[in-house]
Amino acid sequence: EVQLVESGGGLVQSGGSLRLSCAASGFTFGSYWMHWVRQAPGKGLVWVSRINSDGSSTIYADSVRGRFTISRDNAKNMLYLQINSLRADDSAVYYCARTSTPAVFDYWGQGTLVTVSS
Amino acid sequence: QTVVTQEPSFSVSPGGTVTLTCGLTSGSVSTSYYPSWYQQTPGQAPRTLMYNTNTRSSGVPDRFSGSILGNKAALTVTGAQADDESDYYCALYMGSGWVFGGGTKLTVL
Repeated sequence: EVQLVESGGGLVQSGGSLRLSCAASGFTFGSYWMHWVRQAPGKGLVWVSRINSDGSSTIYADSVRGRFTISRDNAKNMLYLQINSLRADDSAVYYCARTSTPAVFDYWGQGTLVTVSS
Repeated sequence: QTVVTQEPSFSVSPGGTVTLTCGLTSGSVSTSYYPSWYQQTPGQAPRTLMYNTNTRSSGVPDRFSGSILGNKAALTVTGAQADDESDYYCALYMGSGWVFGGGTKLTVL
């Protein structure tokens, strides 16, 4: 069974940093592209970033480029999101998701909540 | 900047049929955007319904179907049931990343 379990969220002050983690199991992690998607309270889904299967290629949404860094450790079946210079509008549930056939998020974690206080 | 558009809300009667759409503020949606659809209930993670325009994810009932209608991607729910009441999001692959629509809140009543 495919499982994605996020962790690392919490309450952090504006300007601070946080590293989110996503533990993957039930599939060959190193064979799949992975993503982070976020959802602010009461708002819609927003794609954040994607990393390819071996970690050599990453892309970001314009709103986070330069502040967020996606990475992975295929030996540990782990996906990460380093978030720097946190702002109030970064407050959201952050989901990790897997990409299977082209351009679909086929499995999602349950999310981890990041709250940025001013 | 191109925005992905969805109806903010829709209402359907039990047993009825409803079509939700996913468009662009500039241009037409085609299969090249690999439209996908996700269902989400409050407090839950999204569930994948449809991908590559019209391929149902595993376990998704055939009451759900996807298509391109005119210049938009579409998700049709036939024979709506009470537990179809959810938020529905489409996503388009833009080449440089993915963009979600703002979501449609579907009410079944």
